[in-house]
Amino acid sequence: GAGVSQSPSNKVTEKGKDVELRCDPISGHTALYWYRQRLGQGLEFLIYFQGNSAPDKSGLPSDRFSAERTGESVSTLTIQRTQQEDSAVYLCASSPSRASGANVLTFGAGSRLTVL
Amino acid sequence: GNSVTQMEGPVTLSEEAFLTINCTYTATGYPSLFWYVQYPGEGLQLLLKATKADDKGSNKGFEATYRKETTSFHLEKGSVQVSDSAVYFCALIPFGNQGGKLIFGQGTELSVKP
Repeated sequence: GAGVSQSPSNKVTEKGKDVELRCDPISGHTALYWYRQRLGQGLEFLIYFQGNSAPDKSGLPSDRFSAERTGESVSTLTIQRTQQEDSAVYLCASSPSRASGANVLTFGAGSRLTVL
Repeated sequence: GNSVTQMEGPVTLSEEAFLTINCTYTATGYPSLFWYVQYPGEGLQLLLKATKADDKGSNKGFEATYRKETTSFHLEKGSVQVSDSAVYFCALIPFGNQGGKLIFGQGTELSVKP
């Protein structure tokens, strides 16, 4: 597609429920990143995919968080048993290959998650 | 470790005022440096970048110079407009980082009044 698409744009859920957030990267982009942006804070790295493998999962905050990617396309971030501290905007980004000074990240508009 | 520190916001300016948003970093070697902007209701967009010392990135009237000696990448604009109101993020990719992971500052909100 023309840009990085994320869905849903807004999700309100009850504490303890599971949620799935979807990212559709730019066609042909092999690298895909998930970040989390809490209110008034910077972006926290969650996970990086190169193709459908995840060489860096170091940012996932707990085992309630997982992500997968099908080939070089859609990725899903799953949060199980959501907690109120999971409330944030979850941002997805992609780049033609591993991001560098030359390969910049293109971000989606984000999925805003609110856990009541 | 690698980190980015930005000046705290919000920064409130009148239209046509001069803007500086300070950014300093900690990193080994020579990282690549970026400024991203997030307009209200939109995703982050790359504003400008610099990949080596003394490089100047520029776009839409904004400039930032990669200063190795002061480990800084301050964002400047000579005359801001209301449409520049947004949150600005300074970021780096460490040299040799295999994951190409951007490390972000906390963001600085800019509000420009007519």
